[in-house]
Amino acid sequence: GAVVSQHPSWVICKSGTSVKIECRSLDFQATTMFWYRQFPKQSLMLMATSNEGSKATYEQGVEKDKFLINHASLTLSTLTVTSAHPEDSSFYICSAKSGGGDTQYFGPGTRLTVL
Amino acid sequence: TQLLEQSPQFLSIQEGENLTVYCNSSSVFSSLQWYRQEPGEGPVLLVTVVTGGEVKKLKRLTFQFGDARKDSSLHITAAQPGDTGLYLCAGGGNYGQNFVFGPGTRLSVLP
Repeated sequence: GAVVSQHPSWVICKSGTSVKIECRSLDFQATTMFWYRQFPKQSLMLMATSNEGSKATYEQGVEKDKFLINHASLTLSTLTVTSAHPEDSSFYICSAKSGGGDTQYFGPGTRLTVL
Repeated sequence: TQLLEQSPQFLSIQEGENLTVYCNSSSVFSSLQWYRQEPGEGPVLLVTVVTGGEVKKLKRLTFQFGDARKDSSLHITAAQPGDTGLYLCAGGGNYGQNFVFGPGTRLSVLP
């Protein structure tokens, strides 16, 4: 149980284009989803937290107009990187949890490369 | 802001050796989680510890939560090459705390 999927697994795009990444909880309802980014050989950095039906809460330093998050249902959250630039290239990972528990279940990640 | 520190940062050992990695904070956490992450993949949850002093075992892995719920340790017995990966501790998310990850311990087990 507690499986989270992400799509796509990897994406290459040109600078200036927008990219959408999907995060789905497959066998449970995720009241809260989280988006992280991870640079090579570093730990995960939380970008934003989203609750179903509410606006996402962004961490300090994360541009909400650049990283659009939509959590439209209890099983789906999307992250759209708008006007991507090479410095946005990173490994983006989502996680989900249900109810008030602490445990988060992670997706397999999406590797974004912006040329 | 709650911070988690992990030590050591890097660890390279021979197959069959034992090792312990540590996760420390000055803050009290409602729970701590340990994850293992392999290159190009998302973190995989190993265990959640909730009660101060709690010890949990997962095959060759032993996890302990400090009595004061500020620290945790992961001990691996007879390490195998398959244990290679980035070990992350994480905590928070309740009682108004932000969920935070430690910087990780990168373990390499050589055959």
